[in-house]
Amino acid sequence: DTEVTQTPKHLVMGMTNKKSLKCEQHMGHRAMYWYKQKAKKPPELMFVYSYEKLSINESVPSRFSPECPNSSLLNLHLHALQPEDSALYLCASSQLQGIGEKLFFGSGTQLSVL
Amino acid sequence: RKEVEQDPGPFNVPEGATVAFNCTYSNSASQSFFWYRQDCRKEPKLLMSVYSSGNEDGRFTAQLNRASQYISLLIRDSKLSDSATYLCVVNGATSGTYKYIFGTGTRLKVLA
Repeated sequence: DTEVTQTPKHLVMGMTNKKSLKCEQHMGHRAMYWYKQKAKKPPELMFVYSYEKLSINESVPSRFSPECPNSSLLNLHLHALQPEDSALYLCASSQLQGIGEKLFFGSGTQLSVL
Repeated sequence: RKEVEQDPGPFNVPEGATVAFNCTYSNSASQSFFWYRQDCRKEPKLLMSVYSSGNEDGRFTAQLNRASQYISLLIRDSKLSDSATYLCVVNGATSGTYKYIFGTGTRLKVLA
């Protein structure tokens, strides 16, 4: 069983809605990630937090807003999304952001934007 | 050229067969390598790390060839439950930050 917990598992939202995805890990990992995955494609990196600070933003549109309230939690705030944003959103964590660190994924949030 | 390339498959093999996947990477400065398994509509799960010396975990053997910049995964005595997509993942420094680069995945179907 994964030790990275994501909620909700499924989310349907309209283009004018505001919603948030949540991720939690209790492995003491100091790096946390958001990935987006479309069907039959590999995960695409969106954001990386290292020691609760934003380390990487892969030029993600501002309608996606990440937040790392503490070392165990990672949120992704969604606002004014487009239908093409429908995808599986995966949270992951690693002990540190560096060489040889293994990445552990949560089970994801399947997002549909109508 | 993509940073990490895999044959998308599908590889259709009978139960009990041995199957091998390769993955090539373009950045010679890449420093760590992994195989992940992903079932349909599920998250990727770490299968094994890959080392230059090669490593084995039960029916699975992974190998890294730095000179030719490829990694391989060998599955012996395939089981129906091995049917999944296998993702090659490369980790290294890019512009001063560490990133995981995913291959497109190789789909395996083990047939009864």
